[in-house]
Amino acid sequence: LAKTTQPISMDSYEGQEVNITCSHNNIATNDYITWYQQFPSQGPRFIIQGYKTKVTNEVASLFIPADRKSSTLSLPRVSLSDTAVYYCLVGDFYNAGNMLTFGGGTRLMVKP
Amino acid sequence: GAGVSQSPRYKVAKRGQDVALRCDPISGHVSLFWYQQALGQGPEFLTYFQNEAQLDKSGLPSDRFFAERPEGSVSTLKIQRTQQEDSAVYLCASSLGTGVRNEQFFGPGTRLTVL
Repeated sequence: LAKTTQPISMDSYEGQEVNITCSHNNIATNDYITWYQQFPSQGPRFIIQGYKTKVTNEVASLFIPADRKSSTLSLPRVSLSDTAVYYCLVGDFYNAGNMLTFGGGTRLMVKP
Repeated sequence: GAGVSQSPRYKVAKRGQDVALRCDPISGHVSLFWYQQALGQGPEFLTYFQNEAQLDKSGLPSDRFFAERPEGSVSTLKIQRTQQEDSAVYLCASSLGTGVRNEQFFGPGTRLTVL
């Protein structure tokens, strides 16, 4: 399983764009990149998933360069409610029983 | 809509007691996962079911941990002779299909405290 590295914590202010970068140098050809969000006392929640280039949904954008050795989660105009832990994960979509391998995550603190 | 539910939400056990944690996945979801999350850490995989079959239990930390999903729906994680190091949040997740492309929906977790 590809190991991921991401910053332990980040601070931001309301209304700013936040970019969280994750390194996954040994990502395999079959691996997808997925980001989850976790609020205190809740289970993680899926945010976005991608394989290459750029993916955008109503919540976030995911940028993946051509070599796929890193990825960047972009949260536009964050609010206080975006304060959470964000996890970057990689996984092999051919593995039917693939569990999610979480790292330590990035604790995002959004300040007023 | 109904999501993944877990019960109890909180459990306090004396060291040496047996505990049973329940997970009700989203109806119709084939895959079911159990994770353990220690304080300040990311969740760690324990075991995986595809319908009633337990296909992967490589993450179970010891033979004191046992999981079942007899009818391919509700699952129970049992911990025998609890130890203090078992204190953690136990998360259950389900997904409609199999493989990492399928979004996993997590329950709120059961916080286990072993005294």
